[in-house]
Amino acid sequence: DQQVKQNSPSLSVQEGRISILNCDYTNSMFDYFLWYKKYPAEGPTFLISISSIKDKNEDGRFTVFLNKSAKHLSLHIVPSQPGDSAVYFCAASRQNTGFQKLVFGTGTRLLVSP
Amino acid sequence: KAGVTQTPRYLIKTRGQQVTLSCSPISGHRSVSWYQQTPGQGLQFLFEYFSETQRNKGNFPGRFSGRQFSNSRSEMNVSTLELGDSALYLCASSFETANSPLHFGNGTRLTVT
Repeated sequence: DQQVKQNSPSLSVQEGRISILNCDYTNSMFDYFLWYKKYPAEGPTFLISISSIKDKNEDGRFTVFLNKSAKHLSLHIVPSQPGDSAVYFCAASRQNTGFQKLVFGTGTRLLVSP
Repeated sequence: KAGVTQTPRYLIKTRGQQVTLSCSPISGHRSVSWYQQTPGQGLQFLFEYFSETQRNKGNFPGRFSGRQFSNSRSEMNVSTLELGDSALYLCASSFETANSPLHFGNGTRLTVT
């Protein structure tokens, strides 16, 4: 039962354009969501998070949007840079079962070309 | 500030053997979690330790165990290794305050032959 889904395994974008990565979840009890970036041979790196009480959070070039009614979140990267090329994972947790117990999506590989 | 350190980076073991992986969290982080990453199942939660106590556990068999020491360093152990245990094992640490993000190490790549 895949509770967190990233339906696009890959995405290609040109440098300077916007990258939009999508994530859907099925468990309405999730109340905290995160995005991680992963380079080969490295562990995931935390990018940005959002609590279920918000619908948007920004950090520099990265913005996460949360649509609770649709159980959908997205990560926007503007402008995209070649160094952003990596695998992006969305993750979700429930406060009452421990926010360290993250449920991850399967990842989307982003390729930003010059 | 040093990140999460995992040792060793690579391990090759034979079926039936056991293995111990080590994790040193970021200084000041007292929560340590372990995850398994495989191509088929993605990243899956194994367990979480806080103040030397297992506070949360995922859906893995009892062959997977862990512990945490008083300095917050953690080890995980897998006994009676199976071919399917081949994976990248990731350790993550965090503050104990609500919704503190997990910071991951670079993992230990375990290959079981």
